[in-house]
Amino acid sequence: DSGVTQTPKHLITATGQRVTLRCSPRSGDLSVYWYQQSLDQGLQFLIQYYNGEERAKGNILERFSAQQFPDLHSELNLSSLELGDSALYFCASSVATERPDFRFYNSPLHFGNGTRLTVT
Amino acid sequence: ELKVEQNPLFLSMQEGKNYTIYCNYSTTSDRLYWYRQDPGKSLESLFVLLSNGAVKQEGRLMASLDTKARLSTLHITAAVHDLSATYFCAVEINNNDMRFGAGTRLTVKP
Repeated sequence: DSGVTQTPKHLITATGQRVTLRCSPRSGDLSVYWYQQSLDQGLQFLIQYYNGEERAKGNILERFSAQQFPDLHSELNLSSLELGDSALYFCASSVATERPDFRFYNSPLHFGNGTRLTVT
Repeated sequence: ELKVEQNPLFLSMQEGKNYTIYCNYSTTSDRLYWYRQDPGKSLESLFVLLSNGAVKQEGRLMASLDTKARLSTLHITAAVHDLSATYFCAVEINNNDMRFGAGTRLTVKP
């Protein structure tokens, strides 16, 4: 058990709809990442938050948004869903202690079990 | 744009054999990670390589890093069925931004 909790485990919805995926990081981890894993695209980095602030952005569509709340849990919002959005969405967290030069002391990511999204 | 390339993408091995998975990346990086993913499961951290020349070993797996060549290898010694999984390398760039390779799906056959 990685200590990262993702809900729901499965989500089936129709095209055009909006869904929210939730992630609770490991206790003490300030950094949260979202990844999309599909068969044809592999593991794609979407976005990273550190202590409530957005730190890095990857190939995240404008229809997608995320935030990290004061209690450090994070939500990924997917709207105007398309068939191609069907994928496994992973949340990961890490300690990632910030250094004085604004870079991070690094640590491996701890992944949740993912949310499998099916858009029909 | 950062590119992280793994090869091979698919690997079928006999038990007892040795093989190496390669991970090339296109930009300067401080850190390289290896992860394992079992079918239908999440990713699990295997190794963290923090400097040029770093070598880490755990059981039948050994990972190394050459930052000058921008290359990491994951060597499998005397493979066993339990090693069947998908292995990902991940390169860390600015501010803990982590980018993954496409993964190598390893199948170890008896």
